[in-house]
Amino acid sequence: QLQLQESGPGLVKPSETLSLTCAVSGGSISSSTYYWGWIRQPPGKGLDWIASVYYSGGTYYNSSLKSRVTISLDTSKNQFSLKLSSVTAADTAVYYCARDHTGSGIHWGQGTLVTVSS
Amino acid sequence: DIQMTQSPSSLSASVGDRVTITCRASQSISSYLNWYQQKPGKAPKLLIYAASNLQSGVPSRFSGSGSGTDFTLTISSLQPEDFATYYCQQSYSTTRTFGQGTTVEIK
Repeated sequence: QLQLQESGPGLVKPSETLSLTCAVSGGSISSSTYYWGWIRQPPGKGLDWIASVYYSGGTYYNSSLKSRVTISLDTSKNQFSLKLSSVTAADTAVYYCARDHTGSGIHWGQGTLVTVSS
Repeated sequence: DIQMTQSPSSLSASVGDRVTITCRASQSISSYLNWYQQKPGKAPKLLIYAASNLQSGVPSRFSGSGSGTDFTLTISSLQPEDFATYYCQQSYSTTRTFGQGTTVEIK
């Protein structure tokens, strides 16, 4: 059974870089047809898609975040990562990692809260 | 980016009611439309994929329809455990987008 587990600091200072990792078990991130991505949800608000990376390495970004976001795969560790630079309080959110298939939807991690504060 | 607009933003309903939520895309997305249910403090859960396909384990009172730009999620007989927020999401574009959500509250 596929499991996704987010990890990373729960508190990040303003202007610094938020870094999160998603460990994948029960499936290989090298499997074809899947995208591996990040989605966030600010407190009390809706879902905001951030970025995804295809199994082959192609990357796709939310246009409003593109200048600050990097997503990458680490096939040797079966995990993928997110970096978001120059964070502000507006980046405070629950961050979900996900496996995404064009024709069959998103399988979600449990989410991790990241707070941006000094 | 493709914009997804849900309506209504919230609704109040009673147990046993038939509930319909609408999602409209800013351009045609064929049938690349998914629906999720989210309860407080939990990750979203996939209900419907490819507009009308029921995810395994999801009760049959949930159904989806539509294609192109207009889609509908229907709960045929609302149950207590269905009070939650529902989101649509398009997977037509490699840059995914979600609707703003519809909260179903107890009347």
